[in-house]
Amino acid sequence: AQRVTQPEKLLSVFKGAPVELKCNYSYSGSPELFWYVQYSRQRLQLLLRHISRESIKGFTADLNKGETSFHLKKPFAQEEDSAMYYCALRMDSSYKLIFGSGTRLLVRP
Amino acid sequence: DSGVTQTPKHLITATGQRVTLRCSPRSGDLSVYWYQQSLDQGLQFLIQYYNGEERAKGNILERFSAQQFPDLHSELNLSSLELGDSALYFCASSVTASNEQFFGPGTRLTVL
Repeated sequence: AQRVTQPEKLLSVFKGAPVELKCNYSYSGSPELFWYVQYSRQRLQLLLRHISRESIKGFTADLNKGETSFHLKKPFAQEEDSAMYYCALRMDSSYKLIFGSGTRLLVRP
Repeated sequence: DSGVTQTPKHLITATGQRVTLRCSPRSGDLSVYWYQQSLDQGLQFLIQYYNGEERAKGNILERFSAQQFPDLHSELNLSSLELGDSALYFCASSVTASNEQFFGPGTRLTVL
């Protein structure tokens, strides 16, 4: 079955440190991968999608089909990056999103 | 607000009751999605509508039903409520089914 795994429930780093939020997926077809972010008291919003291959707020994510991963990275974390991050998969035959369980990123001053 | 709106924000009810959650998509968006976020199950897709027609179904219980009206707003009906139905229910919308989904603020349902 299709699945998205985010192994870390909580990731705590200091300001200025590099960040990597892990995401692995299981799907044999052509997936579309996304990262969504939810800041405190705000709605879920799209951060990145792999097909656009862009950097948003300093974050990047590369789809690695060999390792079935889509890890989210930022070289220097900022306090305002503290939020809940969800990795999501959309299968090529469907439009629904399959979400991981989320990782809470806490950036300490 | 030109984004996705959901009403009510909070809903507290008792087991066995029936509730209706409402979602208004962004202007111009034809596709509406419902998701349930609970502590033990995470964020799970329930159902999708496109221009009034059901397009995809996820882990939606038979006690739950939804519809999308001609003005494109959608309602999620939850009946015979159980304690385990307590969750955040999100609605999302997109222009077409393959475009970016924009999420609403959610409705927090508490079943006592």
